[in-house]
Amino acid sequence: AQRVTQPEKLLSVFKGAPVELKCNYSYSGSPELFWYVQYSRQRLQLLLRHISRESIKGFTADLNKGETSFHLKKPFAQEEDSAMYYCALSGPNTGNQFYFGTGTSLTVIP
Amino acid sequence: EAGVAQSPRYKIIEKRQSVAFWCNPISGHATLYWYQQILGQGPKLLIQFQNNGVVDDSQLPKDRFSAERLKGVDSTLKIQPAKLEDSAVYLCASSLTGWNEKLFFGSGTQLSVL
Repeated sequence: AQRVTQPEKLLSVFKGAPVELKCNYSYSGSPELFWYVQYSRQRLQLLLRHISRESIKGFTADLNKGETSFHLKKPFAQEEDSAMYYCALSGPNTGNQFYFGTGTSLTVIP
Repeated sequence: EAGVAQSPRYKIIEKRQSVAFWCNPISGHATLYWYQQILGQGPKLLIQFQNNGVVDDSQLPKDRFSAERLKGVDSTLKIQPAKLEDSAVYLCASSLTGWNEKLFFGSGTQLSVL
């Protein structure tokens, strides 16, 4: 069965420190992995997707098929990065569904 | 571009009452999703439409929830009768085609069932 696991509900880091939000998944085949973000009082929005191999707002995420992980990383956290982050998975084996993790609330301490 | 529109923004009802939510997706988006997000959890898919046809409603509690997407554009989600455990944020999202496309979310409707 398809599943997305985000082991940390809460994560606090100091401004300027590196940050890593963990995401592990289970999927038979080649999934599409996404990170969605929800800033305070804003709607849920796409941060990045692995197929694009892009860096958005300094964040990157590498798909590691061996470890079935898609961790989100940023070398220097900023206060404006404080938000709720959701890892999501989709693919042809999910019946076109998106499966979301439970989310990690990131707080960047000034 | 205009985003996904949802209304109402908030709704408070008593258990056993009925409630309806409305969603207008981004113009041209074929796929529309309704998600339920209970506090502390990630969004859970309730139903997915492709144009005006249902693709997946396996997680929709059909004894009390119903949804339709007339003419492949706007959609409504109804709960009748509501239970306490239905208290959640109901999110509507749309995408251009399907599973490998970016999802655009609405602001959601926060439902409180008392």
